[in-house]
Amino acid sequence: AQSVAQPEDQVNVAEGNPLTVKCTYSVSGNPYLFWYVQYPNRGLQFLLKYITGDNLVKGSYGFEAEFNKSQTSFHLKKPSALVSDSALYFCAVRAVSGNTGKLIFGQGTTLQVKP
Amino acid sequence: GAVVSQHPSWVICKSGTSVKIECRSLDFQATTMFWYRQFPKQSLMLMATSNEGSKATYEQGVEKDKFLINHASLTLSTLTVTSAHPEDSSFYICSARRGPRETQYFGPGTRLLVL
Repeated sequence: AQSVAQPEDQVNVAEGNPLTVKCTYSVSGNPYLFWYVQYPNRGLQFLLKYITGDNLVKGSYGFEAEFNKSQTSFHLKKPSALVSDSALYFCAVRAVSGNTGKLIFGQGTTLQVKP
Repeated sequence: GAVVSQHPSWVICKSGTSVKIECRSLDFQATTMFWYRQFPKQSLMLMATSNEGSKATYEQGVEKDKFLINHASLTLSTLTVTSAHPEDSSFYICSARRGPRETQYFGPGTRLLVL
């Protein structure tokens, strides 16, 4: 079965420090991996995705993620956190079975950046 | 990035009434749209997958007669919650994508409160 795990319910970091939000996945075949961010009472905003190619993917707002096949991980990173980065972050993997290609989401990680 | 809108952004209705939520892809044609439900501080629960011109595919446990989905065009899908009850109160989010290998873009969500 395909699944995504975000082991941390919440990550706290001081403004200006680097941040990491963890994600591991389980999928048969090659994964398509995504990160989305959700602000309160809003829909999800696309940050970045990995389909193929370079393992380090750069996305919106200075975020990046590293695909690690051996560790089946796709951790989200940012060199210097901003207070405005505080939000709920979702990792997702695309199911490769069938033609629907529906996304499977992790449970979400709340990022709290303190001034 | 692609833009997806939802209308209304919030709705309050009496128990027993029906509520229609619209999802539109504003600057691209969406062959597939998805409807999700999200409870507070939880991940997204996929309700159904909707392909233009065909019947929606519902996830296990989702009542298709309760949650009617219509994908009449490549830019519009609607979700109708029929005979709504308080337990249907939730945050409903749609998403859309151009094709099976494309990124899903999400709408801003619709907050439904059934009294």
